[in-house]
Formats: sequence, structure tokens, C-alpha cells
Amino acid sequence: GAGVSQSPRYKVAKRGQDVALRCDPISGHVSLFWYQQALGQGPEFLTYFQNEAQLDKSGLPSDRFFAERPEGSVSTLKIQRTQQEDSAVYLCASSSLAGIAYNEQFFGPGTRLTVL
Amino acid sequence: KQEVTQIPAALSVPEGENLVLNCSFTDSAIYNLQWFRQDPGKGLTSLLLIQSSQREQTSGRLNASLDKSSGRSTLYIAASQPGDSATYLCAVRLVRTSYGKLTFGQGTILTVHP
Repeated sequence: GAGVSQSPRYKVAKRGQDVALRCDPISGHVSLFWYQQALGQGPEFLTYFQNEAQLDKSGLPSDRFFAERPEGSVSTLKIQRTQQEDSAVYLCASSSLAGIAYNEQFFGPGTRLTVL
Repeated sequence: KQEVTQIPAALSVPEGENLVLNCSFTDSAIYNLQWFRQDPGKGLTSLLLIQSSQREQTSGRLNASLDKSSGRSTLYIAASQPGDSATYLCAVRLVRTSYGKLTFGQGTILTVHP
């Protein structure tokens, strides 16, 4: 597709439910990032993939959060036993390169998760 | 830990005014700084990117400056229009990360009224 897509766009979960959020990056993009944006805040880094390898998961807030990118393209962020504090917009971004060179990240529209 | 702060948190101006948004960061070892725009319910749109060796970048009515030594950047918007209403975010890439992870400020909510 022309840009990064995410699904679902909105998700309402009852506390304790598991959820799975999907990101389709731009075709051929090597790098994929997940960010969490709480209401009224800027996005915060969760995790980074270079192809299928998860090189950094230091931002994942707890072991209830799990991300994968098994074939180096689509990525899924899974949250187990959701809590109210997990309510946020989850943004996915991809970029064509790996490494420290200027590397513009293209962001998807996000998934708004509300945990009741 | 790198901290990025944006001032003001919200700004409301009449159409036509020139305005300045501020961004400060605590760790000056940055690779570059980027300004984004976020519209409600949408993702981030990149506006301007300034490399650490640069002092400013311009695009249309937008001008971003960077003073790395003092840890500051400003986004100047000339002749504001109602369509400029959005949340503006600044973000930095640290030299010590090898893959371009972004550290964001909390954003400035801009409202331009006719």
C-alpha cells in the first residue's frame, strides 16, 4: 500500500482481555517501530524491529506486552490481561533503512485502545 | 535519560498571526531533531527535520531552528491559518541509539481561529 496501515483503528476491551494490534508497514521497509501515546502526551517508544529481529524492547511497560514480526513485514503487538492504564493510542512507524543515518519514519494512523 | 519539553502546552491565536513553538531537550548528543504535526485521530506527519550540524530548515510558512548546545529548537509559523490547527510534536534522535528511535515532547496544541 501507499502508507503504513494499522488495524483495528479502534478497540474496546474489558479489563483482563487479551488484544492484538496489527501493523502493515510500507512494503520493503526494514525498520519497524511501535510507540504508545497516552492522552495528552507525546508518543513513547515501545519496541523496534529490524526485519524479523526484535533489537530493542526496552520500552515495553510490562511482560504483558509482546510484539512479533515473524516474516519481517507485518507486525503484531499483543497485550495480555489488559489493564485500564493500557488505554492509549498505539502508533506504528516504518522506515526504509536500518542504522543511524537519516531515516525518516512514516507513521500509521494508530489504534486507539480503550480498556473498560 | 533524554527529556524533551514543549512550551506552551496549548496556544490559541487569531488567523494571520505569526507564532513560535518551543522545544527543549536535556541531552545535546542528538543526531537530529524533527517536528511533526498530528491531527485528531490521525498519525504523525513530518514537517521539518534538522540535522545536528544544521541551524535551521524552512518549508513554506514554516521555519525550524536548532541550537544544539543550549538544547533548544523553535518552530516558527508565519501568517497562521485555521488549517494549521493541530498538535505539534518535536522529537529527537540520540546519537547513542543505532537505529533512530525517537524521543518525543508532549506536544503543543495549536488553535487558529478565524
